[in-house]
Amino acid sequence: DSGVTQTPKHLITATGQRVTLRCSPRSGDLSVYWYQQSLDQGLQFLIQYYNGEERAKGNILERFSAQQFPDLHSELNLSSLELGDSALYFCASSVGTSASYEQYFGPGTRLTVT
Amino acid sequence: AQTVTQSQPEMSVQEAETVTLSCTYDTSESDYYLFWYKQPPSRQMILVIRQEAYKQQNATENRFSVNFQKAAKSFSLKISDSQLGDAAMYFCAYRRGGSNYKLTFGKGTLLTVNP
Repeated sequence: DSGVTQTPKHLITATGQRVTLRCSPRSGDLSVYWYQQSLDQGLQFLIQYYNGEERAKGNILERFSAQQFPDLHSELNLSSLELGDSALYFCASSVGTSASYEQYFGPGTRLTVT
Repeated sequence: AQTVTQSQPEMSVQEAETVTLSCTYDTSESDYYLFWYKQPPSRQMILVIRQEAYKQQNATENRFSVNFQKAAKSFSLKISDSQLGDAAMYFCAYRRGGSNYKLTFGKGTLLTVNP
């Protein structure tokens, strides 16, 4: 158990809908990362937050957005969902932003868009 | 852009034997970190081992060790005394030094351990 929690574990929804994925980082970790794992794209970085502020952006679609709240939990919002958005979404956390800090991964949320 | 290549989509090993998973990467940076992550059927991403580019000594963690060849940009993972629980997808990952940099993953190698 990494100490990172993600809810829900599974999510099934229809095209065009909007969903919110939630992540609680390990106690004391200020930095949160979101990754998407799909069959065709592999594991890709989406976005990073540190202490409530966006710090880095990767291959995140405009239909997707994220935020980190004062209690440090983070939410990833996916809207106007398409079949291709079906994937496993991971949240990871680390103490800080330095590359020397480990990133600990949550169990992931499996999103299925039908 | 940094890229990570795992040329072996699948590997198999007999229980108690040794197996080596290959990884190459491309970067122009001098400060970076390399990682091997394990993803068992549960889908949890588990850090196996890490290597700092500035360290010449190869990292080891119990039965897991790496062969880090900086000039060749190669970073292989050796699993000794393979166990059934080692069966998983293994991902090689790269992270640039400094702050606010993402992990870049390879496509993964699926390791099967035969009893």
